[in-house]
Amino acid sequence: NAGVTQTPKFRILKIGQSMTLQCTQDMNHNYMYWYRQDPGMGLKLIYYSVGAGITDKGEVPNGYNVSRSTTEDFPLRLELAAPSQTSVYFCASSGTGNTGNTIYFGEGSWLTVV
Amino acid sequence: AQTVTQSQPEMSVQEAETVTLSCTYDTSESDYYLFWYKQPPSRQMILVIRQEAYKQQNATENRFSVNFQKAAKSFSLKISDSQLGDAAMYFCAYRTSSGTYKYIFGTGTRLKVLA
Repeated sequence: NAGVTQTPKFRILKIGQSMTLQCTQDMNHNYMYWYRQDPGMGLKLIYYSVGAGITDKGEVPNGYNVSRSTTEDFPLRLELAAPSQTSVYFCASSGTGNTGNTIYFGEGSWLTVV
Repeated sequence: AQTVTQSQPEMSVQEAETVTLSCTYDTSESDYYLFWYKQPPSRQMILVIRQEAYKQQNATENRFSVNFQKAAKSFSLKISDSQLGDAAMYFCAYRTSSGTYKYIFGTGTRLKVLA
């Protein structure tokens, strides 16, 4: 089972560049999330979505945008990259009912802004 | 807003010994879920154990068990017979019971296992 798939796994960006982190899940989950994890720190919620066409801000949304046109895909867009956005980014998904009792993570995307 | 606090940035344990990682949380909800996730150096997030707040019985998974104290809002993880492969960051997490299903994570505890 593929689960949650993120691409790319590694990326180096220059200050001011833009990029999109792709995320797709094949578990038909309604809920999807983007977290960032700075070195030695916990996970902070950037954006989340409760279903196709619905997104909402988390704790640290500034500098990011998301869209959810389908149940499967939840891309994260970085506009005008800044060094403060150097981090590991995790996409995750969760279902409803019993399948909502666990959050499933992708393998992470390591982003460096120089 | 809900918060999750892990007050131990780092812990060490001898191989084959037992260690307990602490977690406290704050919420006004009566129904919710609590989790412990393991993050090895690969950064993969691995579910260790899950507790449903409406269940009084503490969850167990092989060598992993929790001590869930709902009134005290405490959720500690006990690892018995520690193994070298248990070395990792451990995150405590809370999931809201409302429709947004937001997961809130603590700052993590780094566990070192000494041979």
